[in-house]
Order: sequence, then C-alpha cells, then structure tokens
Amino acid sequence: AQSVAQPEDQVNVAEGNPLTVKCTYSVSGNPYLFWYVQYPNRGLQFLLKYITGDNLVKGSYGFEAEFNKSQTSFHLKKPSALVSDSALYFCAVRVFGQLTFGSGTQLTVLP
Amino acid sequence: EAGVAQSPRYKIIEKRQSVAFWCNPISGHATLYWYQQILGQGPKLLIQFQNNGVVDDSQLPKDRFSAERLKGVDSTLKIQPAKLEDSAVYLCASSLVSADTQYFGPGTRLTVL
Repeated sequence: AQSVAQPEDQVNVAEGNPLTVKCTYSVSGNPYLFWYVQYPNRGLQFLLKYITGDNLVKGSYGFEAEFNKSQTSFHLKKPSALVSDSALYFCAVRVFGQLTFGSGTQLTVLP
Repeated sequence: EAGVAQSPRYKIIEKRQSVAFWCNPISGHATLYWYQQILGQGPKLLIQFQNNGVVDDSQLPKDRFSAERLKGVDSTLKIQPAKLEDSAVYLCASSLVSADTQYFGPGTRLTVL
C-alpha cells in the first residue's frame, strides 16, 4: 500500500527566508508525486508534480520540489517566503491511479 | 477556463437527515473524483468515475453514501442518513484522463448536528 508522511504539522518561517516543507513516501513501484496548497475555505490548488526526469521540479508561485529516490523524499522549497504563502500544504503520491494525501503541514510566514 | 464548480458551499443538517452535493467538472475532463476531508486530515478518496462509469468506490460507505454521474459530466454525491462523523468538507476534483493532474473545486463544508 502507498503512503505519504508529512512529519511537521506546523512550520513557521520569517518573510524573506527560505522555506522547506517536508514529505516522505512509501510505495511499490515508481511514484508520481504532487504538492497542493489549500487556503482557508477553498479547495486544493495544484502547485507542482514529479513524474520522471529532472529531480528538481519547478512549479507555481516560485515553489520547487526535489525528488530524492534514495531518501524517498519530495520536499517542497521556496528561496524567499512571502506572508501570502501562509496556507496548508499537502503532499500526495499516486501509484496505479489512486491519489493518497499526507496529513498536511500548516505553513505560517511571519512578517 | 472555468474551474471545478461545487454547490452548495455550506450545509448544516441534523443527524439522520439526507443531503446531496453537486459537482460540475472542468469541461472535457473525463475523470471525476469525490473526496472527504475531515478537519486536520488530508483528503480521502470516496469514489472515482471515468465518464459515467465507476472506476473505484472501495472507500465509499455504501450503506449511506451514493454517487452518480449519469451523463458523464455533472455528478451528485448523496448521504442518507447522515451521521455526526460525516461532518467534513466534500471535495470534487476532475482530470482530463485518470493519469493526469487532478484539479479541485472549492468544496462543500457539511456540518451534521
């Protein structure tokens, strides 16, 4: 069975500093990996995905994620955080069709 | 391009009542999904449609939940009768094909009293 872990429920970072939101996965086979963001009272918005190819994936709003097969990780990163990046972030993995989500990480960017 | 539409946005009912949610996917998207998101958790897939056929409903509580997508476009999700533990946000998503990126609607927040 596939699973996703987001080890941090909450991440706080100062505006202008780099941010990292962690994600690890467990699957049989080659994973498709995704990051989504959820703002209050809104649905999930797609940020980026890894299918194959370059391990560094660039996505929306200046976010990027690095796929590390040996560490089974797919951490989300941004070089300089904005207050408007404050939201709930979900990592997800898809194998054989079904998308499995992590429990989410609340990112707070402090002005 | 219009996104995934859902209605209503909020619904409050008492336990044992019935409720229905509606979803209109992105135009041309063959695959439609319903997810349940309980507070503090990630979304959990309830059912997946490919056009008007069910692909996966293994996590749908079939004794009380039902869903249909009769013409392969809009979909409805029904709960009858509702329980307190059904309080959650119900998210609809669609994708061009099943292997493609899923795009989500704003969700319906259900409160069961």
